[in-house]
Amino acid sequence: QQQVKQSPQSLIVQKGGISIINCAYENTAFDYFPWYQQFPGKGPALLIAIRPDVSEKKEGRFTISFNKSAKQFSLHIMDSQPGDSATYFCAGISSGSARQLTFGSGTQLTVLP
Amino acid sequence: KAGVTQTPRYLIKTRGQQVTLSCSPISGHRSVSWYQQTPGQGLQFLFEYFSETQRNKGNFPGRFSGRQFSNSRSEMNVSTLELGDSALYLCASSYWTAGDGYTFGSGTRLTVV
Repeated sequence: QQQVKQSPQSLIVQKGGISIINCAYENTAFDYFPWYQQFPGKGPALLIAIRPDVSEKKEGRFTISFNKSAKQFSLHIMDSQPGDSATYFCAGISSGSARQLTFGSGTQLTVLP
Repeated sequence: KAGVTQTPRYLIKTRGQQVTLSCSPISGHRSVSWYQQTPGQGLQFLFEYFSETQRNKGNFPGRFSGRQFSNSRSEMNVSTLELGDSALYLCASSYWTAGDGYTFGSGTRLTVV
């Protein structure tokens, strides 16, 4: 059972544009929602994260919007740059002492120069 | 500060063989988790070790096993390799558990022929 659904699968944006990636989750026990960025040949790196008691979090050009009632959250990348071209994963972590990441399927972002 | 180190980076094995992968966490981190990444299934949780004890386990067959040593270094073993085990195996470490400060290594690319 896929507990985090991510869309779109791929995204092409012009330099300077806004990239938007959406995720929906099913597990209401999730209490932490990170976004990871992965470049080829590298492991995922934490980009930004949010807890469900916050509706929005911004760090530089990256913003997470969170809608708890709809069980949806999204990543917005403002002023997208070619260096942002990577695969992005949303994830959820359930509460409790034995925590694990449940990942979305990933979005391959290409920012054209 | 050194990151999470995984060795080897690349590995080619024959079907039916077994393989051992190694992960050295960030100094001071006591939790080590393993994930499998494939194009078809995405990123999936294998197991987590904390203070030499398996604390959490994903839905993988018993052929997949791991252990953690007193210095927090971890090894993952896959016995009786199958073609479908070809994947990028990622290790992540943190001081306590998944969440803030969770850091991934660059992974071991395993190819089963």
